[in-house]
Amino acid sequence: ETGVTQTPRHLVMGMTNKKSLKCEQHLGHNAMYWYKQSAKKPLELMFVYSLEERVENNSVPSRFSPECPNSSHLFLHLHTLQPEDSALYLCASSQGADHSPLHFGNGTRLTVT
Amino acid sequence: AQTVTQSQPEMSVQEAETVTLSCTYDTSENNYYLFWYKQPPSRQMILVIRQEAYKQQNATENRFSVNFQKAAKSFSLKISDSQLGDTAMYFCAFMKHGAGSYQLTFGKGTKLSVIP
Repeated sequence: ETGVTQTPRHLVMGMTNKKSLKCEQHLGHNAMYWYKQSAKKPLELMFVYSLEERVENNSVPSRFSPECPNSSHLFLHLHTLQPEDSALYLCASSQGADHSPLHFGNGTRLTVT
Repeated sequence: AQTVTQSQPEMSVQEAETVTLSCTYDTSENNYYLFWYKQPPSRQMILVIRQEAYKQQNATENRFSVNFQKAAKSFSLKISDSQLGDTAMYFCAFMKHGAGSYQLTFGKGTKLSVIP
């Protein structure tokens, strides 16, 4: 049982589609993260929200648009993606302190065709 | 910028034996945190163990322990009495110390297979 829930588990979309990934945490944390995990590469931090404010944006293309309506929910809106955006997208949360460990969800496997 | 290197893409170990996964990192920081995460086929990343750089004592968590060598910038993970459920990808990660520091830098991972 994970305290961080991601939906959908799998997503296939065309390059002209618009879709959204959803993440919900039930741990009472105040920071939430999006990571991208591609084959043979280290996990890449995309966005960080702390207390619903974006605090880090690691040069992510504008075709990825995050949204954090409250401290329990995080979305990643996708539009006009490229095939190289196919990857596992992991959501995580933490208590927000600088050394707090991250709690991850099971990820969304995204395939862009 | 920090970098984390895991030089063993794949390893295997017999059930009940001991295995050590290596990790080195590069940083100019003096105070930081190091982590080992496990990612089984379920895909969920799970924290295995954490080490604060200012602590000389190596962290231990049941069958998992680390060998932290600060001067050498080395942070290896030892798994004792390996179990089939330990089969997973293992990621070493680094985080700077300091308020507002959220960047967790990961290595590429080591795929560990425990053989019955």
